[in-house]
Amino acid sequence: KQEVTQIPAALSVPEGENLVLNCSFTDSAIYNLQWFRQDPGKGLTSLLLIQSSQREQTSGRLNASLDKSSGRSTLYIAASQPGDSATYLCAVSGGSQGNLIFGKGTKLSVKP
Amino acid sequence: KAGVTQTPRYLIKTRGQQVTLSCSPISGHRSVSWYQQTPGQGLQFLFEYFSETQRNKGNFPGRFSGRQFSNSRSEMNVSTLELGDSALYLCASSQTTAGVAQYFGPGTRLTVL
Repeated sequence: KQEVTQIPAALSVPEGENLVLNCSFTDSAIYNLQWFRQDPGKGLTSLLLIQSSQREQTSGRLNASLDKSSGRSTLYIAASQPGDSATYLCAVSGGSQGNLIFGKGTKLSVKP
Repeated sequence: KAGVTQTPRYLIKTRGQQVTLSCSPISGHRSVSWYQQTPGQGLQFLFEYFSETQRNKGNFPGRFSGRQFSNSRSEMNVSTLELGDSALYLCASSQTTAGVAQYFGPGTRLTVL
């Protein structure tokens, strides 16, 4: 059974710092891995999707990497801003089923 | 393109009642999935519909059901509500099933009293 773990559960950094969020999964047979952002009480905003054949994806200040063999992904946020404060969720999709399996998220707080 | 829309955004019900939530996917998307989010369990998959057929189902009791219409809009129904059903219910749409990006709606906040 696929399990997704995100460490740390919470992270507080000063504005301008570069940071890394971690995601690990137990079964390497995945179709893709997707990173989301969730603001309090809101839905999920898709940030980056990495297909199983890819190693990384970039969008603006965000860079996500995928190492299937070790069951790990990282989300790198450059020059963090207070507006980046949110919960970041990692989810994997695998097998013949399309459903996403989520980690519990990392709650990020960027202090001005 | 308009995003995924969910109605209503907020609901308050009492135990024993039933509720129906609605989701309209992004235009052209044929797959709709439903997820339940609670503080304790996080995000859990309920079911997925593709071309009006349920393709996949999570580990939830039969009180949770859904359907999809020919225009890809989907509804989920929860009968005999329990306090533990209080949650944010999120709908996600994608172009096809499996292996593609999923886009989420704003959710319906259900409170069961």
